[in-house]
Amino acid sequence: AQKVTQAQTEISVVEKEDVTLDCVYETRDTTYYLFWYKQPPSGELVFLIRRNSFDEQNEISGRYSWNFQKSTSSFNFTITASQVVDSAVYFCALMPQNNNAGNMLTFGGGTRLMVKP
Amino acid sequence: DTAVSQTPKYLVTQMGNDKSIKCEQNLGHDTMYWYKQDSKKFLKIMFSYNNKELIINETVPNRFSPKSPDKAHLNLHINSLELGDSAVYFCASSQDYGTIPSPLHFGNGTRLTVT
Repeated sequence: AQKVTQAQTEISVVEKEDVTLDCVYETRDTTYYLFWYKQPPSGELVFLIRRNSFDEQNEISGRYSWNFQKSTSSFNFTITASQVVDSAVYFCALMPQNNNAGNMLTFGGGTRLMVKP
Repeated sequence: DTAVSQTPKYLVTQMGNDKSIKCEQNLGHDTMYWYKQDSKKFLKIMFSYNNKELIINETVPNRFSPKSPDKAHLNLHINSLELGDSAVYFCASSQDYGTIPSPLHFGNGTRLTVT
């Protein structure tokens, strides 16, 4: 069974602060993929990153960075110098490589980030 | 040029009615999905479908049925609507590259309200 836990239900920061969103997952699969999606107030789901379980190299994309630690089953997301436009609900998700599962994503409960000016 | 489009965006209906939500993708993907997002923002898979098979989340009531007239469409039919069906329903698609799953591309969602 797959499970994704985002313990922080809501985070509030002031603009320009750095913020880290935590994600912890559980899976019995040896090969799997981890994702982050953003859901702004307008409601759409926007893909941010995909990482496979064999690649523990951290990734940086502009103000966004991701820290994958297989030893602790965590895939944390950091926003540097946050901006008001970063305000959204962020979802971490897990997909096993085993395609018998139909490529189904298991989502965490989401973290609502509020960035205040 | 919307990649995954759903209609309608909003759907308000009464208990007991039957309704459908349409989904189309123009990405050429071979797998489509339906997800349900409840009032607490929790997202849960309902169906995964490609031209080979339909995979159903066992928790989905059989009042919900996906219908795929072709590879680019996966519509969601809901019979005998109940209050608890109120949610936002997201359609998504992805390309199955064998063992490497592509990211899912989501539609903008359909907010269903059952009164």
